[in-house]
Amino acid sequence: EVQMVESGGGLIQPGGSLRLSCAGSGFTVSGHYMSWVRQAPGKGLDWVSVIYGGGSTYYADSVRGRFTISRDTSKNTLYLQMNSLRVDDTAVYYCNYGDYGGRVYWGQGTLVTVSS
Amino acid sequence: DIQITQSPSSLSASVGDRVTITCQASQDISKYLNWYQQKSGKAPKLLIYDASNLNTGVSSRFSGSGSGTDFSFTINNVQPEDIATYYCHQYNNRPPYTFGQGTKLEIK
Repeated sequence: EVQMVESGGGLIQPGGSLRLSCAGSGFTVSGHYMSWVRQAPGKGLDWVSVIYGGGSTYYADSVRGRFTISRDTSKNTLYLQMNSLRVDDTAVYYCNYGDYGGRVYWGQGTLVTVSS
Repeated sequence: DIQITQSPSSLSASVGDRVTITCQASQDISKYLNWYQQKSGKAPKLLIYDASNLNTGVSSRFSGSGSGTDFSFTINNVQPEDIATYYCHQYNNRPPYTFGQGTKLEIK
């Protein structure tokens, strides 16, 4: 069974850094692709970043240059390093995994609150 | 970047009704569109992938169709447990992979 557990969220001051983790089981993080999606309070889903099996990475314009997606295959874990955090980065962050068959599996999310 | 226009933003239905949500892409995205259901406080749940494929374990009351730029999602025989917000999501070619604005379904 494919499962993902996010961690690392919390309260951080503007300008600070945080690293989110997404530990996977039932699949390998170097598979088809993994991505991060966020949802600000009361708002819709917002695509953040993706890493493909071959290692290519892409980012939304709003986070490019501040966020870095990576993975550790030995730990089967996906990461999102978030620097220079802003108040408008406040959101629940979800990781997801897309398999080669088209299905997408989601974690339960972790809340990041950027506030002074 | 590909833009997605989802409509309506909200709808109200009676139990047993049939409802349809549409998503229009700003350019051809072939079949690369998914539909999600999100209940309050929960992670999104994949219902339909590649425009028309029903995900494993999902009720056959849900269906999707379309290709290119125009897509639709239908719930037949709406039930109280269908109360949720529904999103489409395109993932064609290169990122960013945009979501629709969401459709909030309420039961009359």
